[in-house]
Amino acid sequence: KAGVTQTPRYLIKTRGQQVTLSCSPISGHRSVSWYQQTPGQGLQFLFEYFSETQRNKGNFPGRFSGRQFSNSRSEMNVSTLELGDSALYLCASSLIQSQETQYFGPGTRLLVL
Amino acid sequence: SQQGEEDPQALSIQEGENATMNCSYKTSINNLQWYRQNSGRGLVHLILIRSNEREKHSGRLRVTLDTSKKSSSLLITASRAADTASYFCATGPSGGSNYKLTFGKGTLLTVNP
Repeated sequence: KAGVTQTPRYLIKTRGQQVTLSCSPISGHRSVSWYQQTPGQGLQFLFEYFSETQRNKGNFPGRFSGRQFSNSRSEMNVSTLELGDSALYLCASSLIQSQETQYFGPGTRLLVL
Repeated sequence: SQQGEEDPQALSIQEGENATMNCSYKTSINNLQWYRQNSGRGLVHLILIRSNEREKHSGRLRVTLDTSKKSSSLLITASRAADTASYFCATGPSGGSNYKLTFGKGTLLTVNP
């Protein structure tokens, strides 16, 4: 099976812009989770989607949003970008429960100037 | 906030030596997992141990879990330069509808040839 794919791999934006990141889970996986990774804060959970519904959400402002489509593909959107949003954004999929083994994509590295 | 806390934060050893990393957590768990991350890339799942298990092996990896002390350890035997990476523990909570893994900040392992 193909692994988790994320697009784009690298992105440079300026403050105030918005960005959309995409994640395609492993075929058959229904749970998709998103994480933000920075040197200072480590891996921070953003949200998790299952069957097109947000099932869990981390402590991030409303500028961070996401959605999941019927084919389990997921997108996350960050509006009004801030310098502090520069990070590696990781997507992970799992079969049903995101507590179980997660399979990570390579990540999207976002730089906000 | 981080549930798992890895110790040490950084570890440097020679090739062929064993590496031991520890993880402590705070709340009841369903399972505990270890992941590896090579610099700036996605995480790779190594091993999952459930709360009713005490020890698990996978190749050169040995994981122990002590739920009474809320701690786990990861042992990598006969280390290789290719084992150089960050290692994270992640906990899956028990009960409730909190379908997410919570990651620690990781241990950076450097294996010198």
